[in-house]
Amino acid sequence: NAGVTQTPKFQVLKTGQSMTLQCAQDMNHEYMSWYRQDPGMGLRLIHYSVGAGITDQGEVPNGYNVSRSTTEDFPLRLLSAAPSQTSVYFCASSQTSGSPQQYFGPGTRLTVT
Amino acid sequence: GQQVMQIPQYQHVQEGEDFTTYCNSSTTLSNIQWYKQRPGGHPVFLIQLVKSGEVKKQKRLTFQFGEAKKNSSLHITATQTTDVGTYFCAGYAGGTSYGKLTFGQGTILTVHP
Repeated sequence: NAGVTQTPKFQVLKTGQSMTLQCAQDMNHEYMSWYRQDPGMGLRLIHYSVGAGITDQGEVPNGYNVSRSTTEDFPLRLLSAAPSQTSVYFCASSQTSGSPQQYFGPGTRLTVT
Repeated sequence: GQQVMQIPQYQHVQEGEDFTTYCNSSTTLSNIQWYKQRPGGHPVFLIQLVKSGEVKKQKRLTFQFGEAKKNSSLHITATQTTDVGTYFCAGYAGGTSYGKLTFGQGTILTVHP
């Protein structure tokens, strides 16, 4: 099992550019989520999904879009990048029942200039 | 919405000293989880506490869940340089949360040799 994979590892964008951060998991987890991590701010939830076709907003959704067409993939789209979106982005997945622990991907370090 | 506060934000210790981080939820939790993130890495699940008053140990790490299931602590005895990193607590409300966790801000631990 590869677990949770994310691409790219690093990305530099100019203000106004768009891009998609990829996330995939091979554990058949229903729950997937995107977090951003900024110094002193911990992990802030951007968007999450509890299954294919179902997404919802987290704590900081503005400027980001998601979709979930398959159980395995949960891409995060930046529509028009802003310097405030410079951050490290983590994707995570888990089961939706019982006492689910989250499995994190290795992260994408994004810089917007 | 549910909030999870974690203190302290930073802790610097000499190798061999003890370390404790505290977590407090605004609502009663189904369970609480602890994660460790090494510098430059991603959060990795350490443990989960489910029962009121539960205490679990992992070698030098002791985890406690409060009687009211709203607070928790992680205590490390005799820190080592390998303990360096950020420790996060994450509250799980259960029910219709379907895997969604609320993370504390994390405590960054530095261990001086």
